[in-house]
Amino acid sequence: AQSVTQLDSHVSVSEGTPVLLRCNYSSSYSPSLFWYVQHPNKGLQLLLKYTSAATLVKGINGFEAEFKKSETSFHLTKPSAHMSDAAEYFCVVSEADSWGKLQFGAGTQVVVTP
Amino acid sequence: DAGVIQSPRHEVTEMGQEVTLRCKPISGHNSLFWYRQTMMRGLELLIYFNNNVPIDDSGMPEDRFSAKMPNASFSTLKIQPSEPRDSAVYFCASSLMGQGMGGYTFGSGTRLTVV
Repeated sequence: AQSVTQLDSHVSVSEGTPVLLRCNYSSSYSPSLFWYVQHPNKGLQLLLKYTSAATLVKGINGFEAEFKKSETSFHLTKPSAHMSDAAEYFCVVSEADSWGKLQFGAGTQVVVTP
Repeated sequence: DAGVIQSPRHEVTEMGQEVTLRCKPISGHNSLFWYRQTMMRGLELLIYFNNNVPIDDSGMPEDRFSAKMPNASFSTLKIQPSEPRDSAVYFCASSLMGQGMGGYTFGSGTRLTVV
């Protein structure tokens, strides 16, 4: 069985400061991991994905995430927050034998203050 | 490609009425997923198809919900009769299985309000 836990429901950062969104996963098999972003009243957009290649994954808009198997973590970071980063972020896990079914975390709401 | 296309974008209906949500996946994708998003429950997988065949519908709330995929380019999610608790945003997503488990693309969603 697969599951994902996002450790913070809300994160508030100042513009220009680093962003850290924490995610831990549980998976019986080698998982694929994703981060999606959802801006208000919009659909979900893929930020980045890990599929057993390099453990440090770079995504769009300056985001990156590191897969740490020993810690079962896949935290999302960005060196410098921008006002346009204000959105909800979802950590997602999918197992190789699950027909591609995605398991979403509860989401982390990011607020960026000037 | 125009991406995953959902219609309508917004739907307001009265309790008891039938509602049909539509989805056109990305051409060439062979898997299609229907999700529901609410404040209380977050994102829930309702049903997914692979090569037009329903694989898992265990997330469908009850018999009032049904989904079909008559061909590779079209799927519907129907609620009959609708109830106020069905109010949510419904997302459709498509992917190409076997391609690195990563090609999931979501539509913009249908915001359903049942009054």
